[in-house]
Amino acid sequence: IAGITQAPTSQILAAGRRMTLRCTQDMRHNAMYWYRQDLGLGLRLIHYSNTAGTTGKGEVPDGYSVSRANTDDFPLTLASAVPSQTSVYFCASSFGPRAGELFFGEGSRLTVL
Amino acid sequence: GENVEQHPSTLSVQEGDSAVIKCTYSDSASNYFPWYKQELGKRPQLIIDIRSNVGEKKDQRIAVTLNKTAKHFSLHITETQPEDSAVYFCAASNGNQFYFGTGTSLTVIP
Repeated sequence: IAGITQAPTSQILAAGRRMTLRCTQDMRHNAMYWYRQDLGLGLRLIHYSNTAGTTGKGEVPDGYSVSRANTDDFPLTLASAVPSQTSVYFCASSFGPRAGELFFGEGSRLTVL
Repeated sequence: GENVEQHPSTLSVQEGDSAVIKCTYSDSASNYFPWYKQELGKRPQLIIDIRSNVGEKKDQRIAVTLNKTAKHFSLHITETQPEDSAVYFCAASNGNQFYFGTGTSLTVIP
């Protein structure tokens, strides 16, 4: 693995189903983030983690949960998917919010029907 | 929390002309301002950034200016080329989170 990896790259999901988007980084970054990207709305922060063992809510956290059991992994779970959660999801990481550059994964395109 | 506004939402320029994208922010504690370029179907990637103790930074055809008093910062691209066509996002960080603008879709017409 080089950098930050997301899976799956694309998924179609029935409403009401549970879904976990996976994110793994091998850069030993302390901070990790989940954003959703919707046309005309830019990148909106869902949840973040400044260090392993801690998480925080972003701008649009409702319907999503995260965990940060270790430095490398930061999965995003939709407990019961709804059509409004159709979006492109980007995981990102950095050495820390004060440390500069944010590195993004390739994105996961999720469609909820 | 921080509010970042970005203008324009779309911008078309002739190849060789300059392009300017402007952003404003609300939180005076914000001290780091990166710009990201996102090509169609790709991930956002950092192209230039500036910290609050600097007023201007340049990297070849790209420059960023920051006015802390007015709380605005701008991206300048000179001698635009077709490969500059992409969506550009500004962002502001207050040391806790990154807040993004809504993006500018730049089209460079050959």
